[in-house]
Amino acid sequence: NAGVTQTPKFRILKIGQSMTLQCAQDMNHNYMYWYRQDPGMGLKLIYYSVGAGITDKGEVPNGYNVSRSTTEDFPLRLELAAPSQTSVYFCASRAGPQVVLEKLFFGSGTQLSVL
Amino acid sequence: GDSVTQMEGPVTLSEEAFLTINCTYTATGYPSLFWYVQYPGEGLQLLLKATKADDKGSNKGFEATYRKETTSFHLEKGSVQVSDSAVYFCALSYGFGNEKLTFGTGTRLTIIP
Repeated sequence: NAGVTQTPKFRILKIGQSMTLQCAQDMNHNYMYWYRQDPGMGLKLIYYSVGAGITDKGEVPNGYNVSRSTTEDFPLRLELAAPSQTSVYFCASRAGPQVVLEKLFFGSGTQLSVL
Repeated sequence: GDSVTQMEGPVTLSEEAFLTINCTYTATGYPSLFWYVQYPGEGLQLLLKATKADDKGSNKGFEATYRKETTSFHLEKGSVQVSDSAVYFCALSYGFGNEKLTFGTGTRLTIIP
């Protein structure tokens, strides 16, 4: 059981370039999330999805886009990379919905540097 | 808004020492509280949780008690091992209808033999 798989693990972008961070889960989870973790900071929610075809903004959505065409995949798109987007990105999923939030399953992260 | 404050790291302890990592929160309602752990090169994993005041979460020798009066959820372990070296995150969330999980900044723990 692979769980939540993120690719790539590392990437260096030049300012203004675009890229897509991939996230896939094989647990048939409805809810998926994208977080970013800046040095010395907690995780900040970028976007989330409660099912295929449904996405919503989190705390820090500017500069990012998402889509959810299937239950399994939740890619995160950076259109015009900026140095402020240098961070570690985590994808997560859970079965949902539950009355009490059950645990999230996290991928191992993508370390992105924008130079 | 809601927030979680953790003690500054890094924390370095000798094996078999007693561990406390402080966590306090600010919340408008009655959230559930969580501790997540991130081992080197891996994603975050749920360590333990508590869903209401005075609940105690426990797992792998770690414990934390939901203290509403002090708005705290401190993580403790009586005897740490080298394998406990990781980054620990305190977090809070509400139930159905609010999908956001608010994290603290994380505390890096290193255990030396």
